[in-house]
Amino acid sequence: ELKVEQNPLFLSMQEGKNYTIYCNYSTTSDRLYWYRQDPGKSLESLFVLLSNGAVKQEGRLMASLDTKARLSTLHITAAVHDLSATYFCAGMYNNNDMRFGAGTRLTVKP
Amino acid sequence: DAGVTQSPTHLIKTRGQQVTLRCSPISGHKSVSWYQQVLGQGPQFIFQYYEKEERGRGNFPDRFSARQFPNYSSELNVNALLLGDSALYLCASTLTLYEQYFGPGTRLTVT
Repeated sequence: ELKVEQNPLFLSMQEGKNYTIYCNYSTTSDRLYWYRQDPGKSLESLFVLLSNGAVKQEGRLMASLDTKARLSTLHITAAVHDLSATYFCAGMYNNNDMRFGAGTRLTVKP
Repeated sequence: DAGVTQSPTHLIKTRGQQVTLRCSPISGHKSVSWYQQVLGQGPQFIFQYYEKEERGRGNFPDRFSARQFPNYSSELNVNALLLGDSALYLCASTLTLYEQYFGPGTRLTVT
């Protein structure tokens, strides 16, 4: 059974700083997803990582996947206030059951 | 193109009542999945439907049921509501295996 663990669960950053969110998963998942959720809102897709060594970047966010280590990372570069949100990673189990981590609540302070 | 739509946006029910939530997928998407997100947690998979057939079911009691219609819209039904059913219910539609597009959600409060 696929279990997904994220850390940290809470992250307070200063604007301009860099940080990484880690996502470990327990068993093989051929896809790894990152989503953003603003308070009271739905999930916004950020990245889909499909293969070992995959790296994707969008603005100040970069995601990577290491299937051998069962680890994905979401790296934040030069954080800005607009990045404040909850970030979820998720893996796909049995081709239809998307298993989510508990989420990382990011707050970027001036 | 319109995204995934869900209705209603919010609703309040009493314990023991029944509720029906509705979802319309993105045009051309034939698969719909339902998730429950309790406050402060990640979403949990409830059901997936593809071409009107159930393709997957999460670890939820039989009080939860769903169906998909010929136009690919879907309903999620929950019977005998409990306080613990209070959550944001998310619908996602899928065109390929790799992307799920989430709707705005229905926030259910059970009192």
